[in-house]
Amino acid sequence: DGGITQSPKYLFRKEGQNVTLSCEQNLNHDAMYWYRQDPGQGLRLIYYSQIVNDFQKGDIAEGYSVSREKKESFPLTVTSAQKNPTAFYLCASSILAWTSGRARGNEQFFGPGTRLTVL
Amino acid sequence: RKEVEQDPGPFNVPEGATVAFNCTYSNSASQSFFWYRQDCRKEPKLLMSVYSSGNEDGRFTAQLNRASQYISLLIRDSKLSDSATYLCVVNFPGNTPLVFGKGTRLSVIA
Repeated sequence: DGGITQSPKYLFRKEGQNVTLSCEQNLNHDAMYWYRQDPGQGLRLIYYSQIVNDFQKGDIAEGYSVSREKKESFPLTVTSAQKNPTAFYLCASSILAWTSGRARGNEQFFGPGTRLTVL
Repeated sequence: RKEVEQDPGPFNVPEGATVAFNCTYSNSASQSFFWYRQDCRKEPKLLMSVYSSGNEDGRFTAQLNRASQYISLLIRDSKLSDSATYLCVVNFPGNTPLVFGKGTRLSVIA
């Protein structure tokens, strides 16, 4: 089955520890994204990548880092510098407009998310 | 400026009612528009794409008004299972990620 997976579903971390969230897709999508969602709030973009070995900061990149060594994978590291990391983290992927031959943006598909709790 | 504004609700409606949500966006050059649905503690899922003057899928109708820079989602004959948060999503010019509104919460009551 084609899709986008995230692991683990729930993650607990002690304050001061770094933690890495996994995101994998087999949809052959060029672009991948990380969002954070707090209770009752909208999605906020952390980082995104449109091509292997390249990524861009989103609106709330401080305290996070990413890598894109493979097209299929876009792991997110929540560092100890992130002051309030407890949240629901969502990964998404999409085709890029210029690779699909469309001038318009393309819909994003989301993984099931990881709930991170800092103890 | 990249803004997508939605009424946060909640909209509490009885089963069978018709309900409409509106969403405004800030850039007149935007070309792609989507509605996503997000259930509690789950990921957002694509409900409908809106590419031209609007489209219909069963009980759901999405419309686009470019002149006024808003899109709408109409749900007819509401079901209990329609209870969710509905996210308005817009593509702004340039190779940038989609911009998500904060969502409108719908509760359909028996």
